[in-house]
Amino acid sequence: GDSVTQMEGPVTLSEEAFLTINCTYTATGYPSLFWYVQYPGEGLQLLLKATKADDKGSNKGFEATYRKETTSFHLEKGSVQVSDSAVYFCALRRNYGGATNKLIFGTGTLLAVQP
Amino acid sequence: DSGVTQTPKHLITATGQRVTLRCSPRSGDLSVYWYQQSLDQGLQFLIQYYNGEERAKGNILERFSAQQFPDLHSELNLSSLELGDSALYFCASSTGTGDVFFGEGSRLTVL
Repeated sequence: GDSVTQMEGPVTLSEEAFLTINCTYTATGYPSLFWYVQYPGEGLQLLLKATKADDKGSNKGFEATYRKETTSFHLEKGSVQVSDSAVYFCALRRNYGGATNKLIFGTGTLLAVQP
Repeated sequence: DSGVTQTPKHLITATGQRVTLRCSPRSGDLSVYWYQQSLDQGLQFLIQYYNGEERAKGNILERFSAQQFPDLHSELNLSSLELGDSALYFCASSTGTGDVFFGEGSRLTVL
């Protein structure tokens, strides 16, 4: 079945460091890919998405490129801030049928940024 | 604020009891999803409704049930509660083909 694999956390970085969180997926066809972020005590927020191969999603300085050849959607940010500390979830959604289909999530990666 | 409203935010109950979690989707969204988040299982998809009808079922226990009402709000019923049911339960909603937005969750503690 469909699945998402994320790198294990926690990832601990100093402020202004470069961030990469790896995400690979297994799915039939051409799913849409997402990154969600969960700040402490809050729900999940959509961070960015890409709906087809080679698309780049970006938001708030974060980027991820949909690589079909490597079935990957790695999250990157050039300079992290303390406020980026959160849990990041990679997810996929298969595209078929008339209604939005369920998201399948990875296990989440905790990012802790130290000042 | 995602526009998805969940109540209650926190709930403490005893084993064997039954609880109902409520979700109001974003205005105009027809799909409602329920997810369970626990430390050992991560984010698990439970069930999806679309315009009042069940559309997809995931890892939902037989002790759990859900429904979506004509006004599109949804309820997740959890019965014969066990300690292991303690978790954060998220509701999410979307339009027919749009992005999925999550509520802030209902934290259930079973003692």
